[in-house]
Amino acid sequence: RKEVEQDPGPFNVPEGATVAFNCTYSNSASQSFFWYRQDCRKEPKLLMSVYSSGNEDGRFTAQLNRASQYISLLIRDSKLSDSATYLCVVNNGLTGANNLFFGTGTRLTVIP
Amino acid sequence: DAEITQSPRHKITETGRQVTLACHQTWNHNNMFWYRQDLGHGLRLIHYSYGVQDTNKGEVSDGYSVSRSNTEDLPLTLESAASSQTSVYFCASRPGTGGHEQYFGPGTRLTVT
Repeated sequence: RKEVEQDPGPFNVPEGATVAFNCTYSNSASQSFFWYRQDCRKEPKLLMSVYSSGNEDGRFTAQLNRASQYISLLIRDSKLSDSATYLCVVNNGLTGANNLFFGTGTRLTVIP
Repeated sequence: DAEITQSPRHKITETGRQVTLACHQTWNHNNMFWYRQDLGHGLRLIHYSYGVQDTNKGEVSDGYSVSRSNTEDLPLTLESAASSQTSVYFCASRPGTGGHEQYFGPGTRLTVT
């Protein structure tokens, strides 16, 4: 079983729409959770960390459900510039630096 | 500004040749990583290093090696390139203490023919 699983999409949504991505992780000991954004042919970049209580950054809201081992990302009022692949990233609960696991990504295209 | 760079950005090589991909960061980060990214797979860890003279195998290390002679550089060597190693390779770094964010280089697109 993969450490992190995501719906690959693609999600094609009109400008202004609200879209949600989901991600599940297999290791219940995981402690830290992130969403990274990757533009076509570019490197991944951190979008936001995901905290237990949920957190919001502008139009982006991240939620964590530890009981279900489930993470979500909600994007409100989608912009053309939001078109990208969104990677769900989870650590494995161990100490050390080599402990991040990346999902395969969910591709979003925002249509004018 | 501090940054992380990779070279070359694109490389075409033949099966059996030795290839070295360079990674250089100016943040003075202790931890450096090499990943490969293929369709249908998430980023998969090849090798990583916690500091000078330290190297460790990741999930998909067969056919690859790294060396860490200084803080700034972690070159990745394909000893004898195979077509299965055609991929996009990303180098990343992060500080030794605190946080989990990794900073990625721009990637190297390698084609083995």
